[in-house]
Order: sequence, then structure tokens, then C-alpha cells
Amino acid sequence: DIQMTQSPSSVSASVGDSVTITCRASQGINRWLVWYQQKPGKAPKLLIYAASSLQSGVPSRFSGSGSGTDFTLVISSLQPEDFGTYFCQQAISFPLTFGGGTRVEIK
Amino acid sequence: QLQLQESGPGLVKPSETLSLTCTVSGGSINTYNYYWGWVRQPPGKGLEWIASLHYNGNTYYNPSLQSRITMSVDTSRNQFSLRLNSVTAADTAVYYCARRNYYGSGAYDSWGHGTLVVVSS
Repeated sequence: DIQMTQSPSSVSASVGDSVTITCRASQGINRWLVWYQQKPGKAPKLLIYAASSLQSGVPSRFSGSGSGTDFTLVISSLQPEDFGTYFCQQAISFPLTFGGGTRVEIK
Repeated sequence: QLQLQESGPGLVKPSETLSLTCTVSGGSINTYNYYWGWVRQPPGKGLEWIASLHYNGNTYYNPSLQSRITMSVDTSRNQFSLRLNSVTAADTAVYYCARRNYYGSGAYDSWGHGTLVVVSS
């Protein structure tokens, strides 16, 4: 199985700050990397697929990059509604696996 | 707009079988590009992929659960289902059904709201 490791596990930032979340795969996954945002009590929401492609309707302050084993999600100007937990997921092979999550808190 | 809705008992006794159904509306399960699947999340924890199924019958299961899982599809009702046998407290989780764009993004692009299943006597 491909292990996905996210860091940090939590981050606290102010509105307007830039936030960076990283995700590392235990083996190369090309660009088969997906990012989700989850708010408390809600289902995950697709943000980015193919490492850097923004899902329709997702604000452009979200961006993704990377390939192979190392990936990054950046929220360029944090907004109050961006609180929640962010998960990465590898989409190259079964079993699908997720990172442990990064909790984003607004100061 | 595509909607997915999980249904099933919220409480299951240990050693019994957990059965959930996902009803899809606003779109057809019989769509080549998509797999349909289940993801669960224990309270306060991360996401775990359970299983994925294509309308043509192709099915993939998480190896850690494979011996206890059966996933099936009823195209006439636009539903798919999950059965998990011999449950324990470790199976307590919110269970989500979701659609995966297998031949495109590879991502789960539509999700149900989730249903909490508690395993307890």
C-alpha cells in the first residue's frame, strides 16, 4: 500500500496569511494526488486533483503543486471560511489511501 | 445535480453485519467514467477507503477489510450497497458513499452527507 504522510498535523494562521500543507507519498505517484477540505460534520469537498488542477468552483487562492512523492497545497490568502481539515489522497492505485489530515485554524 | 444519500441502521451489535445503501439521484450509476464507493471516518480520525465498484461489476476492496466486505450494485434502482460482516467497535464510524471519476481526475467529486454507524451491544 502507498502511505501518505501529511504535515503539519495542525496550523493556526491569521486571515490573509499564506498557509502551506505538504503531503509525501511512500512511492512515486506521478501527479495522481488529490486534495480535499472537510469541515466539522460535513463530507469532504474536492479542491484539487491531478496535483494542481483546481476543481470547478474552488477559489483561486487554493493551489497545488508537486509530482512523484512530494506535494504541496497552498492557501495564498487565508479566509475565515477556510477553517477545517485538509486531506491528501493518492489516486494512482488501489487501495486508495489518504493522508492523516491537517487541521487549519483561524487565529 | 448529482446527489448521493446513505441509508441504513445507525446501531449495529458486535459480530453482526453492517448494511448500508447509497441512493444516487440526478445522474445514472451506469456511467462508464465513474466508480462508486465507500469511505469511512472513525470519530475524530482520518479517512479510510473501503471499497469501489463499477456498474460493469469490477470491484476493488481494501485488503484490510476484504474478508468482511461485499459491495453490490442495483442499477434498476440506481443504488449501490455495502455489507460489512462481523463488526466490532473499531468499525464505528461515519460512512460516506461517493462517486469517483476513475477515468478522469481519479478523485471523489461527489459525496453523500455521511451516516454514523455505532457498533455497540
